[in-house]
Amino acid sequence: QKEVEQNSGPLSVPEGAIASLNCTYSDRGSQSFFWYRQYSGKSPELIMFIYSNGDKEDGRFTAQLNKASQYVSLLIRDSQPSDSATYLCAVKSGGYQKVTFGTGTKLQVIP
Amino acid sequence: EPEVTQTPSHQVTQMGQEVILRCVPISNHLYFYWYRQILGQKVEFLVSFYNNEISEKSEIFDDQFSVERPDGSNFTLKIRSTKLEDSAMYFCASSLEQYTDTQYFGPGTRLTVL
Repeated sequence: QKEVEQNSGPLSVPEGAIASLNCTYSDRGSQSFFWYRQYSGKSPELIMFIYSNGDKEDGRFTAQLNKASQYVSLLIRDSQPSDSATYLCAVKSGGYQKVTFGTGTKLQVIP
Repeated sequence: EPEVTQTPSHQVTQMGQEVILRCVPISNHLYFYWYRQILGQKVEFLVSFYNNEISEKSEIFDDQFSVERPDGSNFTLKIRSTKLEDSAMYFCASSLEQYTDTQYFGPGTRLTVL
């Protein structure tokens, strides 16, 4: 059973701070890694994807991947109240089309 | 910006009835997917579809489920005899390529089975 684990939170950070969201996965054959944001009652919205070890930056967001440790993280700099949502880590294994989601971490940015 | 659309946004049905959920994927995408999310739980993969056939399915996608691309734009999920436990948000997604490409999600259909 391929698993994606996330702390459910809530993670509370003050406005302007850095939010750090973490995810581990069980399948060593995983090749593609995604972070989606989901507001309550809405669909997952892609924030970033990462395929290679290291960091990938896009605006206020940085995704970090460490395949040896089977660990993916998302940093959100200068957090805003509008960033308050559930962040879903998602993983796709090599040779498969399905994306396996974690349960998500709820982020609360306090004004 | 192109997006995946889904209809209806909310479907209420009686247990045992058939429902069809509709999706219009992004126009140049080739791979189509259905996921579901039971309230308070994780998003779960149901099925992927390419070149007019199922390419991958999960253990959830049993004989009561079917998918179809009836024309060049629509992609449908049929549930033949709905059960109470089928109540969930159903998301359609599409991608341009198969393995490494990102899947873009539609807004979802909330299915309520009474």
